[in-house]
Amino acid sequence: DGGITQSPKYLFRKEGQNVTLSCEQNLNHDAMYWYRQDPGQGLRLIYYSQIVNDFQKGDIAEGYSVSREKKESFPLTVTSAQKNPTAFYLCASSTYHGQGSEGYTFGSGTRLTVV
Amino acid sequence: GENVEQHPSTLSVQEGDSAVIKCTYSDSASNYFPWYKQELGKRPQLIIDIRSNVGEKKDQRIAVTLNKTAKHFSLHITETQPEDSAVYFCAASITGGGADGLTFGKGTHLIIQP
Repeated sequence: DGGITQSPKYLFRKEGQNVTLSCEQNLNHDAMYWYRQDPGQGLRLIYYSQIVNDFQKGDIAEGYSVSREKKESFPLTVTSAQKNPTAFYLCASSTYHGQGSEGYTFGSGTRLTVV
Repeated sequence: GENVEQHPSTLSVQEGDSAVIKCTYSDSASNYFPWYKQELGKRPQLIIDIRSNVGEKKDQRIAVTLNKTAKHFSLHITETQPEDSAVYFCAASITGGGADGLTFGKGTHLIIQP
């Protein structure tokens, strides 16, 4: 899987329920990201983290939360405050060389559906 | 923040012909421009990238050109093959000093007609 693993592959959420998506990488990458992909919308940034214990909001952070307690792990929680969570979620990681991001390595994604 | 526009949203070409996908960006501070290919049901894969100190970069049948003045960059695929059928995304980094996340275009669905 290219060193970055997302789980589960499919996830179903009931109304009012929080769910957590897992993302683990063994590439020794400093930076990690969460994107949401909707048809015709491309990839939109939810949260990103450059180093352990630090993360920043992206363009569509409302209704989501993250943590970065370990370099290898960047879990995403979709809270009940996210009113339209059905989407394909992609995690990515990259090295950081101070001159901008290197190319990302993406996980295989989690498809979240509200039931 | 950065805004990336990508055109066309769908592109159909005959096998063997060339395909060109264009992107424009808004923030002149952007200095890193990658292109990703996403096959159906799979993760996006980096296929080529370019930095703002370079005007063109080639890798076999694919090339990317960058015009910093006009703030646009393009992906060129020559001698297209059926396996080139996929969704292609362009992206730009907002700043040159940190891993603060790429801004992606909305994607181009490239269809190679046999």
